[in-house]
Amino acid sequence: AQSVTQLGSHVSVSEGALVLLRCNYSSSVPPYLFWYVQYPNQGLQLLLKYTTGATLVKGINGFEAEFKKSETSFHLTKPSAHMSDAAEYFCAVSDVSTPPLVFGKGTRLSVIA
Amino acid sequence: DADVTQTPRNRITKTGKRIMLECSQTKGHDRMYWYRQDPGLGLRLIYYSFDVKDINKGEISDGYSVSRQAQAKFSLSLESAIPNQTALYFCATSDSGWTEAFFGQGTRLTVV
Repeated sequence: AQSVTQLGSHVSVSEGALVLLRCNYSSSVPPYLFWYVQYPNQGLQLLLKYTTGATLVKGINGFEAEFKKSETSFHLTKPSAHMSDAAEYFCAVSDVSTPPLVFGKGTRLSVIA
Repeated sequence: DADVTQTPRNRITKTGKRIMLECSQTKGHDRMYWYRQDPGLGLRLIYYSFDVKDINKGEISDGYSVSRQAQAKFSLSLESAIPNQTALYFCATSDSGWTEAFFGQGTRLTVV
């Protein structure tokens, strides 16, 4: 069965600092990996995804993530945090044989001025 | 208009009442899903449907039922609501290629 572990339920960074949100997954077959963002009182918006091909994927708002099979990781990064990045971030895993997404518990990102 | 529309957006109901949450989509997708979000628990899958004649239980289906009335409509029912079903509920859709899931804005349900 697939599972996702997000390390840190709450991460706080200063404006302009590096953002690093950690995600490790478990999957018996090659995974599809996703990062979603949820702003307050809104639904989930796709930030980026990895299905096949290049392991470094770029998403919206300057975020990127790298699929590392050997480490079963898909960490999300952004070089310089902006106040508007404050939100909750969810990592999710799926695979072609069992499509429903399995989500991690989420990481709330706070950005301090 | 939103691609995935959930109604109502907010609902307060009493313990023991039956309630239905509705979802409609204009994406033309075959696959639809209901998730529940609780603080600190992320999103958990309640039910999913790969087409009109296909219904599958998810991780936490007890106390819920669903109906796929058409390709574009997927409703979630709580037959007898209880307070621990207080949560934020999301409907989502995806195509058969599974490139990503598209989410509605959510329904905030409070059972008192």
